[in-house]
Amino acid sequence: GAGVSQSPSNKVTEKGKDVELRCDPISGHTALYWYRQRLGQGLEFLIYFQGNSAPDKSGLPSDRFSAERTGESVSTLTIQRTQQEDSAVYLCASSLVPGGSYEQYFGPGTRLTVT
Amino acid sequence: AQKITQTQPGMFVQEKEAVTLDCTYDTSDPSYGLFWYKQPSSGEMIFLIYQGSYDQQNATEGRYSLNFQKARKSANLVISASQLGDSAMYFCAMREASRNYGGSQGNLIFGKGTKLSVKP
Repeated sequence: GAGVSQSPSNKVTEKGKDVELRCDPISGHTALYWYRQRLGQGLEFLIYFQGNSAPDKSGLPSDRFSAERTGESVSTLTIQRTQQEDSAVYLCASSLVPGGSYEQYFGPGTRLTVT
Repeated sequence: AQKITQTQPGMFVQEKEAVTLDCTYDTSDPSYGLFWYKQPSSGEMIFLIYQGSYDQQNATEGRYSLNFQKARKSANLVISASQLGDSAMYFCAMREASRNYGGSQGNLIFGKGTKLSVKP
């Protein structure tokens, strides 16, 4: 079946511009996660959605970052007034249910470059 | 303090030999899960193996096994009979049960990774 998809695969933007990244989770997966991976580093948690519950935003690095998800479908991560330190790969993952042994299935990521 | 520590930035192994990738973790939560993911140069994250904190036996999945030593808080990944296609970054990650939100468990905490290179 279809995996997690993300778009765009690459995004180059000028400092100060807003960007919107999209994630399509696996159908039926209730949990959705956004992570950031800077070059040569591990993944940093950004935000987590579970069903219709309020999202866990504890990983968002600043108020320039926000994300939305409608029900158990598509999610968008928005970065306002981008800075060069926002350059990274942004990975989305979904899980059938959160917790336990249920692994997270990752999308291919969006590589964001802020010039 | 780092929650997940991977002390080997890079490792080399000869094809067909076994290799151990180290991972130590820090948590006061009695209930947690440990994961290993592989990230080839193409960038996708591939789930390899899972170990729950209450699991009595070490997890195994094909050529992958997890050497879980709870008292030492270590969860090393062992890859047997290395193949050239095993060359990749390997990440250890933890999910803590206490990180509940809305009654459910949340995100993974990742280490910085180990780059494994398999030599022919």
